Amino acid sequence: KAGVTQTPRYLIKTRGQQVTLSCSPISGHRSVSWYQQTPGQGLQFLFEYFSETQRNKGNFPGRFSGRQFSNSRSEMNVSTLELGDSALYLCASSFDGRTGANEKLFFGSGTQLSVL
Amino acid sequence: GIQVEQSPPDLILQEGANSTLRCNFSDSVNNLQWFHQNPWGQLINLFYIPSGTKQNGRLSATTVATERYSLLYISSSQTTDSGVYFCAARGHTGGFKTIFGAGTRLFVKA
Repeated sequence: KAGVTQTPRYLIKTRGQQVTLSCSPISGHRSVSWYQQTPGQGLQFLFEYFSETQRNKGNFPGRFSGRQFSNSRSEMNVSTLELGDSALYLCASSFDGRTGANEKLFFGSGTQLSVL
Repeated sequence: GIQVEQSPPDLILQEGANSTLRCNFSDSVNNLQWFHQNPWGQLINLFYIPSGTKQNGRLSATTVATERYSLLYISSSQTTDSGVYFCAARGHTGGFKTIFGAGTRLFVKA
């Protein structure tokens, strides 16, 4: 069974641009969540999607958005990039995210975003 | 929301030594997981353990939900155990958002 796939692996953008990151969950998993990892703030929850609906959202500005498609693949978008958005963006999938061991998270390798 | 604290922040071990990593959480949780992040950034799920004890090879974990802490035991450590260990918790307080601790950075010397 293939794992969680994130693309691209590395991305370099300049301030003011926007970026879209992609995440394909493990086959059969319906919940996808996104996290930002920085040296200063650690791992922070961005949002969670289930069956194409945003089920939960972290404390990030509106420039951060996401969506989930009918095949459970998810994208996140960051508009008007700032230097502080430079981070490793991680995606995780779980079977349904809310039922006992079905909440177990499996992570992709991440997208390393550098904003210059 | 839930606060998650891990200790120690850093740990250096000689190969073959045992260690205990701790995770304290501020409120009741229905989801507690341990992860290992290797030097290449990949996060590997070690345990899903909201309560009780589990073992997987040289690793074991115990969560005492009533006292709001979880322990990860690493026995006979190997150099490949190096990396950062995170615990992550989720509960009603904070609206079921997954909250990660700051991690324990482990270095195992050969």
